Amino acid sequence: AQSVAQPEDQVNVAEGNPLTVKCTYSVSGNPYLFWYVQYPNRGLQFLLKYITGDNLVKGSYGFEAEFNKSQTSFHLKKPSALVSDSALYFCAVSRNQGGKLIFGQGTELSVKP
Amino acid sequence: ETGVTQTPRHLVMGMTNKKSLKCEQHLGHNAMYWYKQSAKKPLELMFVYSLEERVENNSVPSRFSPECPNSSHLFLHLHTLQPEDSALYLCASSQETSAALNEQFFGPGTRLTVL
Repeated sequence: AQSVAQPEDQVNVAEGNPLTVKCTYSVSGNPYLFWYVQYPNRGLQFLLKYITGDNLVKGSYGFEAEFNKSQTSFHLKKPSALVSDSALYFCAVSRNQGGKLIFGQGTELSVKP
Repeated sequence: ETGVTQTPRHLVMGMTNKKSLKCEQHLGHNAMYWYKQSAKKPLELMFVYSLEERVENNSVPSRFSPECPNSSHLFLHLHTLQPEDSALYLCASSQETSAALNEQFFGPGTRLTVL
């Protein structure tokens, strides 16, 4: 069975500091990994994905994520946080079958000035 | 905007009402999805349609009835709902349902309140 865990319900960061939002996964076979962001009163927006290749994936708004197969992790990172990055972040995993993204429960990121 | 629209944005209904949620995608995608988002819970996948054919139904109660008349439109018909069905209902679309092409584009959601 596939599963995703986001161990932190909330992450607090000061503006300008680096941020990390953690994600670990469990899936048989090769994982396809995604990060989405949800701003208040909006739907989810795609940030980045890992399919194959380079373990460091770059995405929208300066975010990046590192795939670590041995630790089954796919942490989201940004070198310098902005107040506007404050939102709910979802990690998701899929394997090579149709239609099913499994989402984590989400991590609320709060960036303070 | 993501190219996926949902109407209405807010809906309040009684347990005996019948209503429908509408989703439209302007992206030329072949797959469409309904999700339920409740507070402090992971997104729950409800239904998946590929080329207008339902390919997944995740043990959703029959009081939720999806309809996909064409690849651009998706409906969720609601009847005799329960208060625990109150949630944000999200529609999404993707190019295909295969994992590698499964970058999903979400609508803004319909906030449903069942009284």
